[in-house]
Amino acid sequence: QVQLVQSGAEVKRPGASVKVSCKASGYTFTNYAIHWVRQAPGQRLEWMGWINGGNGNTKYSRNFQDRVTITRDTSATTAYMELSSLISEDTAVYYCARLIWRSSSHNWFDPWGQGTLVTVSS
Amino acid sequence: QSVLPQPPSTSGTPGQRVTVSCSGASSNIGTNAVNWYQQLPGTAPKLLIYTNDQRPSGVPDRFSGSKSGTSASLAISGLQSEDEADYYCAVWDDSLNGVVFGGGTKLTVL
Repeated sequence: QVQLVQSGAEVKRPGASVKVSCKASGYTFTNYAIHWVRQAPGQRLEWMGWINGGNGNTKYSRNFQDRVTITRDTSATTAYMELSSLISEDTAVYYCARLIWRSSSHNWFDPWGQGTLVTVSS
Repeated sequence: QSVLPQPPSTSGTPGQRVTVSCSGASSNIGTNAVNWYQQLPGTAPKLLIYTNDQRPSGVPDRFSGSKSGTSASLAISGLQSEDEADYYCAVWDDSLNGVVFGGGTKLTVL
């Protein structure tokens, strides 16, 4: 079955960087994009950006443009999200999700990874 | 990134019908299809409704979605205790060139 399995929880100091992985299985990795979404404690979902699994092209939310880097390793069928210059407000659960694309106006996330808790604390 | 307004909470008793609204703009809901995600407590979001009104296999037909103009709605009929969760609408925004989520609605089954 299609599955996204993320790396484990992280604790980071302010100013550090964190890199979260998302291992895909059960489908052809290069045929789909992977998106990243985060959720601060008790807060809504917030879209961060995405990577094309085939050509590696990326697009980032303006809110994270300067601090986020999304990459992928096709041989490992794994996508990565690195967030730099961490602050306490970056404490959140980070999710990866596969995009099902039917057209520019019809696309959705399925499935989602289980989430990775990143805690930023001094 | 902008947020699509949703009521922060709603509630109902078992067997009742509840609706959750999601408001948008011409650049998002007015142009693109809306999806809904269910997030049970302590778990990752799960696809509930895609392309405005389509249910993935395994989702009961008690859940239905609709869209009109720049607004969308999720309806849950025959409410059950296991429906207690947060519900998020989501849609691609052509102006922002990214995905926007609703603020989320917490459903309580009384």
